[in-house]
Amino acid sequence: DGGITQSPKYLFRKEGQNVTLSCEQNLNHDAMYWYRQDPGQGLRLIYYSQIVNDFQKGDIAEGYSVSREKKESFPLTVTSAQKNPTAFYLCASSILGQGVNTEAFFGQGTRLTVV
Amino acid sequence: GNSVTQMEGPVTLSEEAFLTINCTYTATGYPSLFWYVQYPGEGLQLLLKATKADDKGSNKGFEATYRKETTSFHLEKGSVQVSDSAVYFCALSSSGGSYIPTFGRGTSLIVHP
Repeated sequence: DGGITQSPKYLFRKEGQNVTLSCEQNLNHDAMYWYRQDPGQGLRLIYYSQIVNDFQKGDIAEGYSVSREKKESFPLTVTSAQKNPTAFYLCASSILGQGVNTEAFFGQGTRLTVV
Repeated sequence: GNSVTQMEGPVTLSEEAFLTINCTYTATGYPSLFWYVQYPGEGLQLLLKATKADDKGSNKGFEATYRKETTSFHLEKGSVQVSDSAVYFCALSSSGGSYIPTFGRGTSLIVHP
């Protein structure tokens, strides 16, 4: 079955530590996205990529980094520069273009907690 | 830029009540419109969609009509069930926004037996 997989489901980070969240899709989608979800704030875009080896900052990119070396993979690193990283992180993918079948497909999310 | 505004929650209903969750949007280009649902601790799932004006999306008893004249895409269901309790997100994508999905803040629905 085609889909999008995030791992791990739960992640704990110590102060000053970098952590990497995995996101893999086998839907052959060109576009991939990372969103952060905090209670009452909806989804905020961190980074997105619409082609391999290229990515763009979203609304809240500070303290995060990404790579897109393969079409299927879009890992997110939460660096020590991110002062408040505790949140639920969602990865999504979609085809690009107008009209039908342009919806986003989401992974199950990673809940990151600073300890 | 693109934006989506949806009514704040929580919306609390009794089972079999009628549901409306309002959603309005601002977009450049000709957006596609979506409703997603999120159950606790999970990612978002597509509930329904509409890709042009006057289209009606429907799924699992939920409906929404793409109203270009009022820039709205309100979600409705005639008779809610306890199992419909979740958070609902209105969203759009358009060429003017580089096709990046833009989401509203989400509306929590709580259905009591």
